[in-house]
Amino acid sequence: DTGVSQDPRHKITKRGQNVTFRCDPISEHNRLYWYRQTLGQGPEFLTYFQNEAQLEKSRLLSDRFSAERPKGSFSTLEIQRTEQGDSAMYLCASSLGVVAADANEKLFFGSGTQLSVL
Amino acid sequence: AQSVTQPDIHITVSEGASLELRCNYSYGATPYLFWYVQSPGQGLQLLLKYFSGDTLVQGIKGFEAEFKRSQSSFNLRKPSVHWSDAAEYFCAVGPLNDYKLSFGAGTTVTVRA
Repeated sequence: DTGVSQDPRHKITKRGQNVTFRCDPISEHNRLYWYRQTLGQGPEFLTYFQNEAQLEKSRLLSDRFSAERPKGSFSTLEIQRTEQGDSAMYLCASSLGVVAADANEKLFFGSGTQLSVL
Repeated sequence: AQSVTQPDIHITVSEGASLELRCNYSYGATPYLFWYVQSPGQGLQLLLKYFSGDTLVQGIKGFEAEFKRSQSSFNLRKPSVHWSDAAEYFCAVGPLNDYKLSFGAGTTVTVRA
């Protein structure tokens, strides 16, 4: 168990540029989540994958955001035409099962990608 | 709808003193409640989780939390704080649709020597 890995740790970009983040979940986890955390706030849910299927996309994600999880393994989150308001920590998490169904089930979070849009 | 309120933005506590962090939630059904800790540059780590049963939940690192349905609260406590407990603490409720958690805005804990 090497934990959830996110790459890069930090990304600085200019407004209008496209950026892509990668998340590698714990290998046997088939559920993957993206959250966004802005300064002074808790994480906010963005999207959820079960295997390769994206089952929910938050209204926080505009059309400039797209997430994929090909083959149900790693996931990417792309932001097109970045805006200063996109500056945040983007967190990825994974779980083996359904959090609601098992007292022992939990989300494992990565360290996040800190995005700064200048 | 589900939501979490953490009334205290920042708490300073002396090393060795007790700590209590407040959390109030709003949820339409029986909630699952969580406390996470986030150290600088690190991801969120689960401290403890209330799923059902005993309302006093024991977690890692000597933390415990008590679920009080009548007060819609899930306060986190530690009897004796260590300098390494300095971090940001998040309460969360859910999961909506079996997987979506709602987090509070967090409480930053500073430990003074």
